[in-house]
Amino acid sequence: QQQVKQSPQSLIVQKGGISIINCAYENTAFDYFPWYQQFPGKGPALLIAIRPDVSEKKEGRFTISFNKSAKQFSLHIMDSQPGDSATYFCAATPRGSYIPTFGRGTSLIVHP
Amino acid sequence: ETGVTQSPTHLIKTRGQQVTLRCSSQSGHNTVSWYQQALGQGPQFIFQYYREEENGRGNFPPRFSGLQFPNYSSELNVNALELDDSALYLCASSWGQGVEQYFGPGTRLTVT
Repeated sequence: QQQVKQSPQSLIVQKGGISIINCAYENTAFDYFPWYQQFPGKGPALLIAIRPDVSEKKEGRFTISFNKSAKQFSLHIMDSQPGDSATYFCAATPRGSYIPTFGRGTSLIVHP
Repeated sequence: ETGVTQSPTHLIKTRGQQVTLRCSSQSGHNTVSWYQQALGQGPQFIFQYYREEENGRGNFPPRFSGLQFPNYSSELNVNALELDDSALYLCASSWGQGVEQYFGPGTRLTVT
């Protein structure tokens, strides 16, 4: 059972455009939602994270939008750059736990 | 501040053999978690070590085992290697059992 569903599997965006990646979860006990960025040959790097007490969190060009009632959250990358080309993973961690469940990842390509 | 380091970078083993992977946690972190990332998938939690004891385990068989040392570094041991064990093995460190985990670059294991 896939507890965190991520879409799309791949995404191609032009430089300067907005990249949007979506995740949906089923377990209402999840209360920490991080996004990771992974370049080829590297480990995932924590990008930004949110807890369900807020609906949006912004750090630079990266924004998480969170919809608790719909059990969905998304990553928005504004003014996408070729250097943003990477695989992005959403994850969710249950309350009282430290074990994240990851989505399957989205391969983002930003064309110059 | 020193990040998470892992060794070796790449490893090729034959089915049935045993392998040991190593991880040094980020300075100031006392908890190490291990993940298996198959090609095109998100990381899957194997287990976590906190204060030199296993502190949670994912859905992996007992032939996956580990150690944590007094300096918080850790080893992942896999016995009786199978072809499906081929993956990127990631180590992540954190402070206590915090949800913010920082990943190393991983060890690419190929089982032939």
